[in-house]
Amino acid sequence: DTAVSQTPKYLVTQMGNDKSIKCEQNLGHDTMYWYKQDSKKFLKIMFSYNNKELIINETVPNRFSPKSPDKAHLNLHINSLELGDSAVYFCASSQLGAGAQETQYFGPGTRLLVL
Amino acid sequence: GIQVEQSPPDLILQEGANSTLRCNFSDSVNNLQWFHQNPWGQLINLFYIPSGTKQNGRLSATTVATERYSLLYISSSQTTDSGVYFCAVFKGGSEKLVFGKGTKLTVNP
Repeated sequence: DTAVSQTPKYLVTQMGNDKSIKCEQNLGHDTMYWYKQDSKKFLKIMFSYNNKELIINETVPNRFSPKSPDKAHLNLHINSLELGDSAVYFCASSQLGAGAQETQYFGPGTRLLVL
Repeated sequence: GIQVEQSPPDLILQEGANSTLRCNFSDSVNNLQWFHQNPWGQLINLFYIPSGTKQNGRLSATTVATERYSLLYISSSQTTDSGVYFCAVFKGGSEKLVFGKGTKLTVNP
């Protein structure tokens, strides 16, 4: 069984389009994340939700809007796509404890290419 | 914010060799994870190791929290070990995992 799944795996689109990436976890975790991995393989957190509430919002353009309909799902909508948005986007989940965090599990990634 | 530095940035080995990857971090942390990103891009958990030593097959990891570093040991390396190894740390209060830039390992047959 897939623990953290993302759709689609690949996304090729034109500049200016709007697209969404979906993420689901079946681990019963209460916290979910979106990360961006750039062309140099650097992984950086974008957003984090805990029980459907936004707890981390890094310096990300307003064109990126996460939505968590329930604690098992975290979607990412991107408006007016730009060339620089091309990257691999990873979803992850974990269980947050008291001031700590258990193992974070990652989805397979969505490879976004903006032309 | 907390800084995470990994060394070496690149490592090339012959199959069967042993290696040590290092992760230094600039502040006390609540936990630390090692990941392997395989050539297909998948991020695989290797260890959750805020302190102490753990072993899993040919891989082992040690974190010395008081000295702010962690080491990942790979013994008898295989070509399937190739990929990028990331260290990531979590500091309570920040609620986020901060990644190092990774060590790219290439194991040649």
